Amino acid sequence: GEDVEQSLFLSVREGDSSVINCTYTDSSSTYLYWYKQEPGAGLQLLTYIFSNMDMKQDQRLTVLLNKKDKHLSLRIADTQTGDSAIYFCAESIMSGGSYIPTFGRGTSLIVHP
Amino acid sequence: DTEVTQTPKHLVMGMTNKKSLKCEQHMGHRAMYWYKQKAKKPPELMFVYSYEKLSINESVPSRFSPECPNSSLLNLHLHALQPEDSALYLCASSQEGRAGVGFNEQFFGPGTRLTVL
Repeated sequence: GEDVEQSLFLSVREGDSSVINCTYTDSSSTYLYWYKQEPGAGLQLLTYIFSNMDMKQDQRLTVLLNKKDKHLSLRIADTQTGDSAIYFCAESIMSGGSYIPTFGRGTSLIVHP
Repeated sequence: DTEVTQTPKHLVMGMTNKKSLKCEQHMGHRAMYWYKQKAKKPPELMFVYSYEKLSINESVPSRFSPECPNSSLLNLHLHALQPEDSALYLCASSQEGRAGVGFNEQFFGPGTRLTVL
């Protein structure tokens, strides 16, 4: 987790947009991911972006990638209380012949009614 | 079936006990993973099996012993654990375990919450 940095907390009001930021270190990462973890549950892949893309949009989710600055962001439009969870940024690192995600420490998103 | 199932959901064990965690998937995935997650921390990779062979062991203590009896099942055998081993143990699977085969989404199970007394 020390190679991928995220802020630990974000608090937003319901209906506002949330932006979660992440910086990573390995410029050879092929894929960058955003995972969501609800309390007591496993991780769910929300979205991913291939390293030759700058932006990816999927319904309420927008991912922006700045390869020069090694900066990744996740924007959630019209944030709902059900979006409250921990969001992990991850970069893919090749290890033992496999691409393995390396996770950041996670950002706790709290959505207020 | 796009689920990874894990049993048990919760496990409490003493330091002298022997227990096993089980993970199962029926998606035809050929790579399976064990992660350990402490509270408010990211998951840490422990083991990777690719085509039923152990391909990655992230210097995990020998008191944790993985086993992949077939392509659908992954076990983690526990023996002589310490209280600091208490954590959420997550299993995941993906279509492929090899690099260079394109996007490789991992599907995670809900985890086993382990407490070592």
